[in-house]
Amino acid sequence: DTAVSQTPKYLVTQMGNDKSIKCEQNLGHDTMYWYKQDSKKFLKIMFSYNNKELIINETVPNRFSPKSPDKAHLNLHINSLELGDSAVYFCASSPFASETQYFGPGTRLLVL
Amino acid sequence: DQQVKQNSPSLSVQEGRISILNCDYTNSMFDYFLWYKKYPAEGPTFLISISSIKDKNEDGRFTVFLNKSAKHLSLHIVPSQPGDSAVYFCAASTKYNFNKFYFGSGTKLNVKP
Repeated sequence: DTAVSQTPKYLVTQMGNDKSIKCEQNLGHDTMYWYKQDSKKFLKIMFSYNNKELIINETVPNRFSPKSPDKAHLNLHINSLELGDSAVYFCASSPFASETQYFGPGTRLLVL
Repeated sequence: DQQVKQNSPSLSVQEGRISILNCDYTNSMFDYFLWYKKYPAEGPTFLISISSIKDKNEDGRFTVFLNKSAKHLSLHIVPSQPGDSAVYFCAASTKYNFNKFYFGSGTKLNVKP
């Protein structure tokens, strides 16, 4: 039974398109995150939500918009995709102020 | 500007020997550190952590050492097993912003049978 799931696993799309990645956790956690793993393999936090409220918003282009319809879901919508958006995107969750985060399997996005 | 660095992209070790993975950080405000393990096509999973009030934390075959003056931490795996082959990430945060972790770029460990 998957704790943190992401869909889709792979996403290949053209520049300029709009796409969404969905994330769901069934752990009852309060906090959810989006990370981007870039070509240099660093995992960088993009957003964090606690109980549907945005608590961390790093320097991310406005084309990225997270949406949290409830505390079990945190979706990522990306407008006007660019080549540089190609990366692996990881969703994670944790109890609030807990050091341990539980990661999803990642979504590999390729923008052509 | 990466605040957490893992300067060895890969490490190869014989089964049964010790694996030592290193991590350096630049922000002296960091006071909580973790190691995550990642298999291909999976997300990272939590392995072990250490608070800055300690200099060592042990969990079975895994031990993390923290040298605050050098801003350096290391993960020791002994004895290494083939199933330990994975990418290991270190991460750091401050107690003032516990939800925000800075990750290194990972070290790929290969344990040879």
